Amino acid sequence: AQSVTQPDIHITVSEGASLELRCNYSYGATPYLFWYVQSPGQGLQLLLKYFSGDTLVQGIKGFEAEFKRSQSSFNLRKPSVHWSDAAEYFCAVGAWSGGSNYKLTFGKGTLLTVNP
Amino acid sequence: EAGVTQFPSHSVIEKGQTVTLRCDPISGHDNLYWYRRVMGKEIKFLLHFVKESKQDESGMPNNRFLAERTGGTYSTLKVQPAELEDSGVYFCASSQDITDTQYFGPGTRLTVL
Repeated sequence: AQSVTQPDIHITVSEGASLELRCNYSYGATPYLFWYVQSPGQGLQLLLKYFSGDTLVQGIKGFEAEFKRSQSSFNLRKPSVHWSDAAEYFCAVGAWSGGSNYKLTFGKGTLLTVNP
Repeated sequence: EAGVTQFPSHSVIEKGQTVTLRCDPISGHDNLYWYRRVMGKEIKFLLHFVKESKQDESGMPNNRFLAERTGGTYSTLKVQPAELEDSGVYFCASSQDITDTQYFGPGTRLTVL
């Protein structure tokens, strides 16, 4: 069965600093990979996704992520964080199980605090 | 285009009562998913509808949970009777094809006292 690990439960950065959120997955084949963000009082919003092709993926709000097969990782990055980026970030794997069943498996999330 | 909507946004009930959560997917999306996040834990899959049929309900915790999708449109998730451990945020998501991006609703926060 697939699994996702987000090792950092809470990260604090200063506004304008760079950001990297870590995500490692376990799955027997190449998965579909996603990053979602949940701002306070909001639902989950898709930041970016990787299905195939270029391993560096660009998303919304200036975020990017890089798929590294050898490390089973899909880390999220942003060169300069804005105060509005404060939110909880979820890495997810989309994978098949039981032959014909497909679902997302999520990590526990990383809460990002941005200091002024 | 309207996104995924969920009702209610919050529900507070007593243990033993019944609660019904509703999800309206994006129009035209055949695939509808329910997920749940219990406090401090990860978001976990509950079940998946393709149109009106249950494709996968392997994540449903027990038989106190009943999900339906009338006519392949909106879906309801009923918890009867509710227990304390059912508290959490219930998310609904929809997608056009099975491996397409899943678009999530804002969630329903359920508190069982």
